[in-house]
Amino acid sequence: DQQVKQNSPSLSVQEGRISILNCDYTNSMFDYFLWYKKYPAEGPTFLISISSIKDKNEDGRFTVFLNKSAKHLSLHIVPSQPGDSAVYFCAANAGGTSYGKLTFGQGTILTVHP
Amino acid sequence: DSGVTQTPKHLITATGQRVTLRCSPRSGDLSVYWYQQSLDQGLQFLIHYYNGEERAKGNILERFSAQQFPDLHSELNLSSLELGDSALYFCASSPTGQGYNEQFFGPGTRLTVL
Repeated sequence: DQQVKQNSPSLSVQEGRISILNCDYTNSMFDYFLWYKKYPAEGPTFLISISSIKDKNEDGRFTVFLNKSAKHLSLHIVPSQPGDSAVYFCAANAGGTSYGKLTFGQGTILTVHP
Repeated sequence: DSGVTQTPKHLITATGQRVTLRCSPRSGDLSVYWYQQSLDQGLQFLIHYYNGEERAKGNILERFSAQQFPDLHSELNLSSLELGDSALYFCASSPTGQGYNEQFFGPGTRLTVL
């Protein structure tokens, strides 16, 4: 039972353009969402998060959008840079009910071409 | 550098053996989480400790156990190892035991069971 799904295994984008990574979830108890970036041979690095009381959160080139009714979130990277090439994971947490347990999607490999 | 350290970086062992993975959280963080990343399963939550006490368990096998010591470092013990236990094991830490916190991941320990 995969509660967090990233349906696109990979995404290829030209440098300077927008990258949009998508994530769907099924558990309505999830109320806190995070995006992580992972390079080979390294641990995941936290990028940005959003609480379910918001529908948008921005941090520099990264913006996360949350559509609770659709149980869908997306990460926008503008402009995309070659250094953004990595695996991106979305993760979800059920806040106070599950302590800190994160449920991860399978990841999307982003490749940004110069 | 997330501030979370894990040792060893690589571990090669045989089936039936027992190994111990070690994690030191970021300074000031009270929570430690363990995750397993295998090729076909993505990042799976194993267990969460907060200030020395077990807080939550995921799909952790009975052959696996963990503890968090008074100095807050944590160890994950894997026994009666099987080929299928080969994976990357990540430790993460966060300041509190609640959700709504980003978790900071260590570089991981790659376990190979031959």
